[in-house]
Amino acid sequence: EDQVTQSPEALRLQEGESSSLNCSYTVSGLRGLFWYRQDPGKGPEFLFTLYSAGEEKEKERLKATLTKKESFLHITAPKPEDSATYLCAVQGGGTASKLTFGTGTRLQVTL
Amino acid sequence: GAGVSQSPSNKVTEKGKDVELRCDPISGHTALYWYRQSLGQGLEFLIYFQGNSAPDKSGLPSDRFSAERTGGSVSTLTIQRTQQEDSAVYLCASSLRVAPDTQYFGPGTRLTVL
Repeated sequence: EDQVTQSPEALRLQEGESSSLNCSYTVSGLRGLFWYRQDPGKGPEFLFTLYSAGEEKEKERLKATLTKKESFLHITAPKPEDSATYLCAVQGGGTASKLTFGTGTRLQVTL
Repeated sequence: GAGVSQSPSNKVTEKGKDVELRCDPISGHTALYWYRQSLGQGLEFLIYFQGNSAPDKSGLPSDRFSAERTGGSVSTLTIQRTQQEDSAVYLCASSLRVAPDTQYFGPGTRLTVL
């Protein structure tokens, strides 16, 4: 069974203080690893898809990387508007198309 | 373009009543997914549709839960004889095709069972 573990559960940063969020996974035949951002009371908003180890993607202050066992979401010089819960999910092999999610990292960025 | 829409945004019901939740996927997306998000827990897969067929219903928690999709578009998730443990946010997502592909989520329906 696919499993995703995210750490830390919560993270508080000051504006401009860079950090990384971790997503460890076990999956049978990874077809994709996904990062989403979720604001309170809203649905998850898509950020990145990574398909193979060594792949990296960037968007503004965010950079996602992937190895065979984990993914990192690096946040460079964060701003208060980056405060949200960041969710990691995997899509495994076989006939299943579902996403298996971690429980997320709640990020708070203060002035 | 328009994203995934869900209705109602909030639903309060009494224990034992039936509820219907609706999802309108992004136009042209062939795959549609239902997930549930309970307080303090991650998103939990319920069911997915490829066209109007449901190849994977493995996440439905009991036979009180059912879903259908018509015309390869709108989907309805029905919960019969609701229980308090059914209280959660129900999220719908769609993707252009089946895996591997990105799933785009709607805003969710918050269900409260009193």
